[in-house]
Amino acid sequence: DAGVIQSPRHEVTEMGQEVTLRCKPISGHNSLFWYRQTMMRGLELLIYFNNNVPIDDSGMPEDRFSAKMPNASFSTLKIQPSEPRDSAVYFCASSSRDRDTDTQYFGPGTRLTVL
Amino acid sequence: QQPVQSPQAVILREGEDAVINCSSSKALYSVHWYRQKHGEAPVFLMILLKGGEQMRHEKISASFNEKKQQSSLYLTASQLSYSGTYFCGTESHGQNFVFGPGTRLSVLP
Repeated sequence: DAGVIQSPRHEVTEMGQEVTLRCKPISGHNSLFWYRQTMMRGLELLIYFNNNVPIDDSGMPEDRFSAKMPNASFSTLKIQPSEPRDSAVYFCASSSRDRDTDTQYFGPGTRLTVL
Repeated sequence: QQPVQSPQAVILREGEDAVINCSSSKALYSVHWYRQKHGEAPVFLMILLKGGEQMRHEKISASFNEKKQQSSLYLTASQLSYSGTYFCGTESHGQNFVFGPGTRLSVLP
């Protein structure tokens, strides 16, 4: 099994540009999570999907952020327009059941730098 | 509201034991424990559910005291590979899943 796949691994962009992060969960998993990690704010849950449906998006910081899961094997996190304070490592994780009862497997992360 | 973890950091010699605590001001449904090594993604260790049993991952175990709204992670006979930052994550009524600030563990030879 390839594990959770994220792309790109590194992204450097300029303020105001659109950024799209991608995630492919482990095959057969029906829950997907997007996290953001910074030194200042730690590890934050941004949004959680179950069976491709967003269940909890209250962690999404503002309207500039949006996430989609068009099918069970793909999700995107989009930032438009990007700002320097969005610089962080963004992780995607997946699990095979709901978040209360099963292991979450994290992808390697995307390190985003907004200049 | 973010759970509180203690200590913030701990340094051990290989073979020593350590305890990391996670506490919340809210009644908890569940507590999750993760370990993250520098430059890597967090790795899930275990979940403790309300009313559930003490859990174990290799030589690491954890307990969940619902009345005290806290969980403790016990690292027994620590190994060099245990070094990293340990995060607890909690779920409670009316609140998102939220991670604690982390406890940095360093195991020295």
